[in-house]
Amino acid sequence: AQKITQTQPGMFVQEKEAVTLDCTYDTSDQSYGLFWYKQPSSGEMIFLIYQGSYDEQNATEGRYSLNFQKARKSANLVISASQLGDSAMYFCAMRVLGDDMRFGAGTRLTVKP
Amino acid sequence: DVKVTQSSRYLVKRTGEKVFLECVQDMDHENMFWYRQDPGLGLRLIYFSYDVKMKEKGDIPEGYSVSREKKERFSLILESASTNQTSMYLCASRMTSGGTTGELFFGEGSRLTVL
Repeated sequence: AQKITQTQPGMFVQEKEAVTLDCTYDTSDQSYGLFWYKQPSSGEMIFLIYQGSYDEQNATEGRYSLNFQKARKSANLVISASQLGDSAMYFCAMRVLGDDMRFGAGTRLTVKP
Repeated sequence: DVKVTQSSRYLVKRTGEKVFLECVQDMDHENMFWYRQDPGLGLRLIYFSYDVKMKEKGDIPEGYSVSREKKERFSLILESASTNQTSMYLCASRMTSGGTTGELFFGEGSRLTVL
């Protein structure tokens, strides 16, 4: 079974700086998708970015980019130019062929003014 | 705007009560999911459904059941609530996707407390 590990329970970043949230995964499947979600204090999960295992380029969506290192099985989320509204829980998730979405434990990001 | 609506944001129930958590989506999505979220454990998949009347067990189905009689509605049932089922419950939906893509759309969550 696949496993997602987020080793940082909490992170702090200064406003306007960049921050990297770590995610490693474990699967023997060759075909899989990696996702990042944001959960503000309101509770709703917001999809941020997707990376397919066969995608050669790292995914980017605005200030979000996914640093995909396949050999190391890591899919770190990079947020550039942090804003106060980025303070939230962030979850890494993976889906393999024939199975469905599994999530990591999450990282709580706090952006300091 | 796409919407997944969970019937109750906050519920307080007593041990042994039967609890229904309702979820409705207006996006004509085939797939629907129930997750449980606990601090330090992330989201864990309870049950999912790829179509009407279909259901599959996730990682932690014990103590739960589900119902999907209509495409837009997916209900989570706690037959006899216990204190260890106190948690945040998240419903999600997705358009049919047989591959590894397809992001989930989530409701706002239902925080259940069992006394």
